[in-house]
Amino acid sequence: IQMTQSPSTLSASVGDRVSITCRASQNIGYWLAWYQHKPGKAPKLLIYQASSLQSGVPSTFSGSGLGTEFTLTISSLQPDDFATYYCQHYNTYTYTFGQGTKLEIK
Amino acid sequence: EVQLVESGGGLVKPGGSLRLSCAASGFTFNTYSMNWVRQAPGKGLEWVSFISSTTDYIYYADSVRGRFTISRDDANTSLYLQMTRLGAEDTAVYYCARGLVSGTTTPSPFDLWGQGTLVTVSS
Repeated sequence: IQMTQSPSTLSASVGDRVSITCRASQNIGYWLAWYQHKPGKAPKLLIYQASSLQSGVPSTFSGSGLGTEFTLTISSLQPDDFATYYCQHYNTYTYTFGQGTKLEIK
Repeated sequence: EVQLVESGGGLVKPGGSLRLSCAASGFTFNTYSMNWVRQAPGKGLEWVSFISSTTDYIYYADSVRGRFTISRDDANTSLYLQMTRLGAEDTAVYYCARGLVSGTTTPSPFDLWGQGTLVTVSS
């Protein structure tokens, strides 16, 4: 299963609403997770089962989608949100990640 | 404190071997599946290997199958990755990561990660 994210890079400002798309090469149901990763830090689980918010994650993050197309939305960007975001499928043990979307400050 | 701490990374020559360790603390290690994930310089995350809590299920990415071996020692709450026949393409930061749901062998996302250990394969 291949996971394709778009865009690869996204420039935005604090307070903006942004969305990142992830497409799976075949139906993965809702077995999709989103992670935030900053340089030198451990990746952080944000969303699992496509739309379930991980404990401790701000409600400005949300996920949607089913089957082959999924979206991560940040409703109001905060300074701490600038990072790289990855989707990951887990409907099989191959656990493929998307190539990542780097969210930059405009 | 709930945490994972990797160790064992370093510089190794092509064709060489290395064993990574991941020390777990603050949670019931023997009820969770565990994984290794890596990130090559300038690249994205790549899942490497999975081991279930009971060790009944073990899986590898195609890129490492036959060269890497995952194992765990529940008595010492540790996860390991034995890497052999290393090549330049294995240069990466290696993370250990815990499966979200305890007590299950089904695939689950990774809710706890270590800080990573750097493996550099170079002559």
